[in-house]
Amino acid sequence: NAGVTQTPKFQVLKTGQSMTLQCAQDMNHNSMYWYRQDPGMGLRLIYYSASEGTTDKGEVPNGYNVSRLNKREFSLRLESAAPSQTSVYFCASTLGGSSYNEQFFGPGTRLTVL
Amino acid sequence: AQSVTQLDSHVSVSEGTPVLLRCNYSSSYSPSLFWYVQHPNKGLQLLLKYTSAATLVKGINGFEAEFKKSETSFHLTKPSAHMSDAAEYFCVVTRNTGGFKTIFGAGTRLFVKA
Repeated sequence: NAGVTQTPKFQVLKTGQSMTLQCAQDMNHNSMYWYRQDPGMGLRLIYYSASEGTTDKGEVPNGYNVSRLNKREFSLRLESAAPSQTSVYFCASTLGGSSYNEQFFGPGTRLTVL
Repeated sequence: AQSVTQLDSHVSVSEGTPVLLRCNYSSSYSPSLFWYVQHPNKGLQLLLKYTSAATLVKGINGFEAEFKKSETSFHLTKPSAHMSDAAEYFCVVTRNTGGFKTIFGAGTRLFVKA
């Protein structure tokens, strides 16, 4: 099992460009999450998908959109990138929606917006 | 409302000495509490979680944490530090009542000196 995979690993964008971050999991998990990690701030939840076909906003959703393409895949889109979106992005998944469930994290995507 | 405070941004110990990483939380609901570890340029990995079954929780690599409701604390300890423990550690509170919410502490970076 590969677990949670993310592509790309690194990306540099210019202000105003768009891009999609891809995430896939092969653990048959129902719930998937997108976080951003900034220095000194821990991880903050951008969007999550409790199950296939549903998505909900997290703590910092502005400037992002998501798509739960199927049970395996959950993508994050930046329509018009801004320097404030420079960050490391992590995708995670859990078996179900219980708050007790362990989250499994991908290796991250390091995004720089110039 | 939920919040997580990791009381130290950096902790430095010598190899073979005890480790203490402190975490205080607040939660309107019975919390689910976790400690995750992040090695440089890697994703996060679960160390341990509190599920209300026992107040002393044992995790991987010799780490353990004690849930103290009266002190609203969930401190992480290890009797003897190893060089491989050098990493960043995150205390996390999660709930799934009235919508999923997860709050990460800002993180504590652990340095281990030879």
